[in-house]
Amino acid sequence: DGGITQSPKYLFRKEGQNVTLSCEQNLNHDAMYWYRQDPGQGLRLIYYSQIVNDFQKGDIAEGYSVSREKKESFPLTVTSAQKNPTAFYLCASNPGQGIVRDQPQHFGDGTRLSIL
Amino acid sequence: AQSVAQPEDQVNVAEGNPLTVKCTYSVSGNPYLFWYVQYPNRGLQFLLKYITGDNLVKGSYGFEAEFNKSQTSFHLKKPSALVSDSALYFCAVRASYSSASKIIFGSGTRLSIRP
Repeated sequence: DGGITQSPKYLFRKEGQNVTLSCEQNLNHDAMYWYRQDPGQGLRLIYYSQIVNDFQKGDIAEGYSVSREKKESFPLTVTSAQKNPTAFYLCASNPGQGIVRDQPQHFGDGTRLSIL
Repeated sequence: AQSVAQPEDQVNVAEGNPLTVKCTYSVSGNPYLFWYVQYPNRGLQFLLKYITGDNLVKGSYGFEAEFNKSQTSFHLKKPSALVSDSALYFCAVRASYSSASKIIFGSGTRLSIRP
């Protein structure tokens, strides 16, 4: 079955450490997204990519970085500059802008990041 | 600017009773509206959407939602609640002219169904 795989499910970060969250999709979707979920705040967009080798900042990009070298993969790095990284991180995809603009996003099952 | 509001943090309903989870939105132009459900430690699952046409939209698991343009609302409903419906529900909105990246999520409503 097609879907989005996020790994690891749980991740712990030490002070001053960068960590990378994996997101892989086999849906052949062009667009991919990273969201941060905090209790009572809904989802906030960190970064998105509409095509390979291109990505844009979302609403809360500071302290995060991404790459999009392959269509299937959109890893998120939480850098040491992100001072409050404890959250649930969700990766999503959809077919892409301009093709089926009304299509819903498909989500992975998330990675929960905590500070040691 | 686009926005979406879910005025209730929590909704409690007895099993077998009808349920409503409220959502209001603000967007310039025509809205694309979505409902998602999230179970503990899982991602969001798509329930239903309104793009155009009939104001009553039917979705997964017996849920439906009614689009009301004059009240700028898109409330989620189900005629008879199940205990398994207990979860976190998100409403989302995007203007029809904006990119897919501009979808805005509400803060979520926790639905609790008691046996």
